[in-house]
Amino acid sequence: NAGVMQNPRHLVRRRGQEARLRCSPMKGHSHVYWYRQLPEEGLKFMVYLQKENIIDESGMPKERFSAEFPKEGPSILRIQQVVRGDSAAYFCASSPGAGSGGYTFGSGTRLTVV
Amino acid sequence: QKEVEQDPGPLSVPEGAIVSLNCTYSNSAFQYFMWYRQYSRKGPELLMYTYSSGNKEDGRFTAQVDKSSKYISLFIRDSQPSDSATYLCAMSAHGNEKLTFGTGTRLTIIP
Repeated sequence: NAGVMQNPRHLVRRRGQEARLRCSPMKGHSHVYWYRQLPEEGLKFMVYLQKENIIDESGMPKERFSAEFPKEGPSILRIQQVVRGDSAAYFCASSPGAGSGGYTFGSGTRLTVV
Repeated sequence: QKEVEQDPGPLSVPEGAIVSLNCTYSNSAFQYFMWYRQYSRKGPELLMYTYSSGNKEDGRFTAQVDKSSKYISLFIRDSQPSDSATYLCAMSAHGNEKLTFGTGTRLTIIP
């Protein structure tokens, strides 16, 4: 039973380019969460999605960031016109639903903006 | 003031010692409490999950929640070098909503 799969593991983008981060939840999990981790900091919530719905995007920056979880395929976190401050580790987590007892995290995508 | 406070350490203890890790929080609505372990350049791994106040034990790990004091703890008995990692506390008011994390405590177990 594969865990939460994130790809790519490492992503390098030049300033102004777009970054696309993908997350495939564990089998049977319909809830997906994205978190960002800056060096020496804890994880910061970005967005919570279910299939075809954004449930909570209170942690998403107002501009340049978007997320989706389509009916088919992985969840995508998209960052347009990246800046150096976007360099961070981005983690995806999934859960099967209410009362599930914690989330399972993927190994993350480390984005470096040069 | 942060919603969740956690001493970043670093904390170094000899192998076999009992380790105590702690977090305090300010949001009285938090009911779900978790501890995650994160190895360098890896994703967080769920260690303990508790609801409301009380104790929970799993092998060498014990989690305690004191909601009246807004204080949670993780104890590691018979610590091993493989326990060397960053430990993150996390909490939420309702199941399946966003987690609020502490900044993590970096722990090193010295052989």
